[in-house]
Amino acid sequence: QVQLQQWGAGLLKPSETLSLTCAVYGGSFSGYYWSWIRQPPGKGLEWIGEINHSGSTNYNPSLKSRVTISVDTSKNHFSLKLSSVTAADTAVYYCARIEYDILTGYSNGAFDIWGQGTMVTVSS
Amino acid sequence: EIVLTQSPGTLSLSPGERATLSCRASQSVSNSYLAWYQQKPGQAPRLLIYGASSRATGIPDRFSGSGSGTDFTLTISRLEPEDFAVYYCQQSGSSRTFGQGTKVEIK
Repeated sequence: QVQLQQWGAGLLKPSETLSLTCAVYGGSFSGYYWSWIRQPPGKGLEWIGEINHSGSTNYNPSLKSRVTISVDTSKNHFSLKLSSVTAADTAVYYCARIEYDILTGYSNGAFDIWGQGTMVTVSS
Repeated sequence: EIVLTQSPGTLSLSPGERATLSCRASQSVSNSYLAWYQQKPGQAPRLLIYGASSRATGIPDRFSGSGSGTDFTLTISRLEPEDFAVYYCQQSGSSRTFGQGTKVEIK
């Protein structure tokens, strides 16, 4: 049973850098895109970006200038850094995975496993 | 960026009734990279449908998806009490985006 367990600082001041980590337990790390998704209180979901086991990344264009996603394959971890946060970055942040075929690149593009979510509040 | 517009915003129905949720894309979603999720308060979303019409593992057959191109539909044939939740569509044809959600509430 694959599980994603995430953690990180829950309270930040404006201009600080958000930092979260997601660990993958019980499954392979390769053959997946590992994503970060966020959800402001009472609002919808926003995809932030993703990374695969070899470190190839894709980012939401609206956040790209402030986002860095990295991977540590030795620990089956991947991490999110979001710089210069403001109150608009207050949200529940989720990690999630999308499966893809390493040989063909084919993916169904759907997030099948999600972390438990981490509430991050930005306030002075 | 592909914008997904879901309708209606809220659907008020009774248990046992049929629910029909719509998701319209601003441009064609390639290879039907369209998924549907269910989210309950305080929980992470759960994958229901991928590839527009394939049910994810463990999803009851009262959930079905259809559509292609720019118009997609999630149908819940007979609502069970546990189906009252918010539903999101999501595309991966060009980057990845979500619709704004449809809330299915008890009438």
